[in-house]
Amino acid sequence: DVKVTQSSRYLVKRTGEKVFLECVQDMDHENMFWYRQDPGLGLRLIYFSYDVKMKEKGDIPEGYSVSREKKERFSLILESASTNQTSMYLCASRRMDRNYSPLHFGNGTRLTVT
Amino acid sequence: QKEVEQNSGPLSVPEGAIASLNCTYSDRGSQSFFWYRQYSGKSPELIMFIYSNGDKEDGRFTAQLNKASQYVSLLIRDSQPSDSATYLCAVIKFQGAQKLVFGQGTRLTINP
Repeated sequence: DVKVTQSSRYLVKRTGEKVFLECVQDMDHENMFWYRQDPGLGLRLIYFSYDVKMKEKGDIPEGYSVSREKKERFSLILESASTNQTSMYLCASRRMDRNYSPLHFGNGTRLTVT
Repeated sequence: QKEVEQNSGPLSVPEGAIASLNCTYSDRGSQSFFWYRQYSGKSPELIMFIYSNGDKEDGRFTAQLNKASQYVSLLIRDSQPSDSATYLCAVIKFQGAQKLVFGQGTRLTINP
């Protein structure tokens, strides 16, 4: 089974802090994604990566950056956390070579910025 | 127009009945379609995918795809209280890098 592991289940940070959310997958997937999920807004794509050191902006990249130095690890960085970044963050991965390859999600990180 | 649209619900269905969840998409270039189930406080888990017109069955679940009308649906037969969750429809487009676009989800409640 694919395993996508997010480093923290719950995180509380202060406004202005730099925040790192880590995600590791063990299935050699090329594609990795970061979403945030908010009530009434659904899942929104922040950034995704289709290979090591490759990244593309999603729908809501402002205030975030990402890093993918190794294939198995995809990090989301909040450069200066703000209260409107309080949310559930979901990391996901998928194989690139099949049209019907699904996303596999991690357990999520619930981030609170105070 | 949103790329993927779902009725947010809540949809309430009696136990044992058929639950019908619908999803429409705007991009005719969309190729593959996924249904995820998400329990409260948990991450989404894959139920089914479909990429050919017609029906695809897996146990109590049936996915239906109609590319001409640009909709995909999920039927849950013999609904159980454990089916109560939010159901997310997701679509892959093939312009540029592949990424899944999600609908907002339909909240389903099965009443005993």
